[in-house]
Amino acid sequence: DGGITQSPKYLFRKEGQNVTLSCEQNLNHDAMYWYRQDPGQGLRLIYYSQIVNDFQKGDIAEGYSVSREKKESFPLTVTSAQKNPTAFYLCASSIIQGLNSPLHFGNGTRLTVT
Amino acid sequence: AQSVAQPEDQVNVAEGNPLTVKCTYSVSGNPYLFWYVQYPNRGLQFLLKYITGDNLVKGSYGFEAEFNKSQTSFHLKKPSALVSDSALYFCAVRESDGNNRLAFGKGNQVVVIP
Repeated sequence: DGGITQSPKYLFRKEGQNVTLSCEQNLNHDAMYWYRQDPGQGLRLIYYSQIVNDFQKGDIAEGYSVSREKKESFPLTVTSAQKNPTAFYLCASSIIQGLNSPLHFGNGTRLTVT
Repeated sequence: AQSVAQPEDQVNVAEGNPLTVKCTYSVSGNPYLFWYVQYPNRGLQFLLKYITGDNLVKGSYGFEAEFNKSQTSFHLKKPSALVSDSALYFCAVRESDGNNRLAFGKGNQVVVIP
């Protein structure tokens, strides 16, 4: 089945450590996205990529970094510079030129930093 | 930039009664509108979309939405709610300016009471 796989489902880290969240898709989509979800705030865009080896900052990119070395993969690193990293992180993908194309989401990674 | 407002935090409805989840949007061009549903600790699932054409859009699981250009609204509806419809619902809008970004509302928790 085609889809988006995020791993791990739950992640625990100590404050001051960098952590990388995995996102892999086999939908052959060009565009990939990372969103952060906090209770009562909806989804906020962190980074997005429309093509391999290129990505753009979203609305809350500070303290995060990404890479897009392969079409299928778009890992997100939460750095120690992110002030409040505990959240639910969602990866998504879509057809690049499809304004009417919905985003397909993974099942998320819940990150807890203590 | 495009934006979405979902004015209610929670919608309570008795099983079998009609369900409405409200959404208003703001864009400078033509809107591409979407509704998603999220179950606990899962990613978002696509329900339906409005691109152009008929103002009443039918989607998955018996849901439909009505586009109203003069009121800039895109309310989600279901004629007869089920307990299994209890979830978090997100409205989203994509602007036709080519950046392919999707702006989400903060979400509405729907509780269907048996």
